[in-house]
Formats: sequence, C-alpha cells, structure tokens
Amino acid sequence: EVQLVESGGGLVQPGRSLRLSCTASGFTFGDYAMHWVRQAPGMGLEWVSGISWNSGSIGYADSVKRRFTISRDNGRNSLFLQMNSLRAEDTALYYCAKARGPHYYDSTGYSFDYWGQGTLVTVSS
Amino acid sequence: DIVMTQSPDSLAVSLGERATIHCRSSQSVLYSSNNKNYLAWYQQKPGQPPKLLIYWASTRESGVPDRFSGSGSGTDFTLTINSLQAEDVAVYYCQQYYRTLITFGQGTRLEIK
Repeated sequence: EVQLVESGGGLVQPGRSLRLSCTASGFTFGDYAMHWVRQAPGMGLEWVSGISWNSGSIGYADSVKRRFTISRDNGRNSLFLQMNSLRAEDTALYYCAKARGPHYYDSTGYSFDYWGQGTLVTVSS
Repeated sequence: DIVMTQSPDSLAVSLGERATIHCRSSQSVLYSSNNKNYLAWYQQKPGQPPKLLIYWASTRESGVPDRFSGSGSGTDFTLTINSLQAEDVAVYYCQQYYRTLITFGQGTRLEIK
C-alpha cells in the first residue's frame, strides 16, 4: 500500500524558516517524480514545487521561487521542502504527492496518483 | 503560465442525474509528438487530500467508478459524472501538467439538489 506521510509543519513567525519532510513507503520511491502542493484554508490547490526521479529536473511556483528548495533522498525514501523567509500567505496545508512517472519537465510530466494527508504550516507573529 | 479556468464555480445536481464540469486552459496542453493531453481531474472531499480521477484527459484511474468520464482536447475539457451519487459531493479540480509550472483550476463545488 502506497503511503506518504508529511511532517515538519507548525507555527512559525514571519521571516523564519521551516523544513517539511515526506516519508514514502509501498513503492519504489526512486522511480517516481514527486511534488509539493499546498492549500490555504478554505481555498483551492496550488502547486508549489516538483522534482524528477533523479533530481535532474526541479521547478517552483513563482510565489515561492528563491525562498523554497525542494530535495529528495532516494536512499531514505524521503522528500523535503526547505522553506525560508516565510510569509503569512504561505500559511496552508502542505501535501506531498507522487507522480505517475519518473519525469518532471515540459511535455514529460505526469499527474499525481497518491497524496499524503498534509502537514499544516501557519505563519504568524 | 498556463491559466486553468473551470466553470461553473459551483453546481447542484439531483441524485441520479448528470453533472458536467468544464475546464479551459489558456494554452493548448496537447503534445503533438505523442498526441496526449496533459490534463487531469481530481476529486477532493472535505477533510481529505485530493484523489486522482482522470489523467491524459480521458483515462480513468484504477478503481474510479465508470460513471466518471473525461473528454476534450487542446484547450477545452469536460468532466462528466453520470448518475450522480451522494458520495460524489466534493470539489473537483482540473490540472495541467504539460508545463514545468503546473497549474490547477480554481475548483468546482458539486452539491446535491
């Protein structure tokens, strides 16, 4: 059974940092691209960042570019999101999502077939 | 960026009837080299993560009831739910994964009339 478990969320002051983790099981983690998607309270889905199977392709939403860094450790079946210079508008439930294939880049991407339950990040003073 | 626009924002349909949700992309998401539309549909129920229903615009994910179907190509897509069931009450999102900057529609809330 595929499982994705996010952790690392919490209450943080504006301007501070937080590191999210996603631990995967039930599939060969290193064979698939992975993504972070967030959802502000009562709002829709916003894709945040994606990474290909071998970390060769990485992308970010404009809203988080140069502040957030995605990474993965295939040996530890883990996905990470380092979030710096946090703002109130980063407050959201952050989901880890598995892509249906290995690649992540123009015309090679895949939809997301499994999602975690999310970890809540609240940015407030 | 490819902007995804769904319509309507919300709709109410009677049990057993058909629900139709539209999604339009600001640019084509059809890749001519493989003739695939990089368009997916997700269902999100309250308190739950999204669930993949349809990918490549019309391929149903394993385990999804066949009353759910997707159609369309290029920039215009439709999610159809035949014979609406009570458990279909949810918010539905379209997503394009054609470009590196992935985008979702704003969501369509489906309720029972």
